[in-house]
Amino acid sequence: GAVVSQHPSWVICKSGTSVKIECRSLDFQATTMFWYRQFPKQSLMLMATSNEGSKATYEQGVEKDKFLINHASLTLSTLTVTSAHPEDSSFYICSAGGQGRKDTEAFFGQGTRLTVV
Amino acid sequence: RKEVEQDPGPFNVPEGATVAFNCTYSNSASQSFFWYRQDCRKEPKLLMSVYSSGNEDGRFTAQLNRASQYISLLIRDSKLSDSATYLCVVNRGSWGKLQFGAGTQVVVTP
Repeated sequence: GAVVSQHPSWVICKSGTSVKIECRSLDFQATTMFWYRQFPKQSLMLMATSNEGSKATYEQGVEKDKFLINHASLTLSTLTVTSAHPEDSSFYICSAGGQGRKDTEAFFGQGTRLTVV
Repeated sequence: RKEVEQDPGPFNVPEGATVAFNCTYSNSASQSFFWYRQDCRKEPKLLMSVYSSGNEDGRFTAQLNRASQYISLLIRDSKLSDSATYLCVVNRGSWGKLQFGAGTQVVVTP
């Protein structure tokens, strides 16, 4: 299967600071990446869909000015949590798909556990 | 109503026993269905796709009932390593855009 690398795997930051999470596809060109968030004992919730070279599409209720997504290349998408607050503490995970990949295939990064103190 | 609903469990299963659980989905236009496995604090990993005719992969059997809009997963001869949260996942129609259930926790005990 394809390899999607997400970094960092965990981060602790102070309230009010910004945190950047990277998602890289290592062996294929990811034209589309998805960013999810998962709170304890809850399902993964799609936050946004990121297409290379265009603006991300955000799900209802997700603040686009708070969760900045950049997908400037076919192998890298970044999610920046701006002015993080304790309620943003969660497990953030990306998935990637690319040209030639079936729609059944969602390759996930390892996830990033964000703790805002 | 949630798009994908699952019994959260936990299902406590003796090693070697069989366990089965369902998931229901609300969007009748859903096209693709999957079971993912998620271990604690890890990313989800695809366990198996679910086909209309039902399919089996080793000790795992998945069924799809489109009329009643539910999917099932059966695990035979449970192993300790089967302990995990099983996520029911439905393709929302857009390529790669998946809708996840909250998961069913399975705990296999010696």
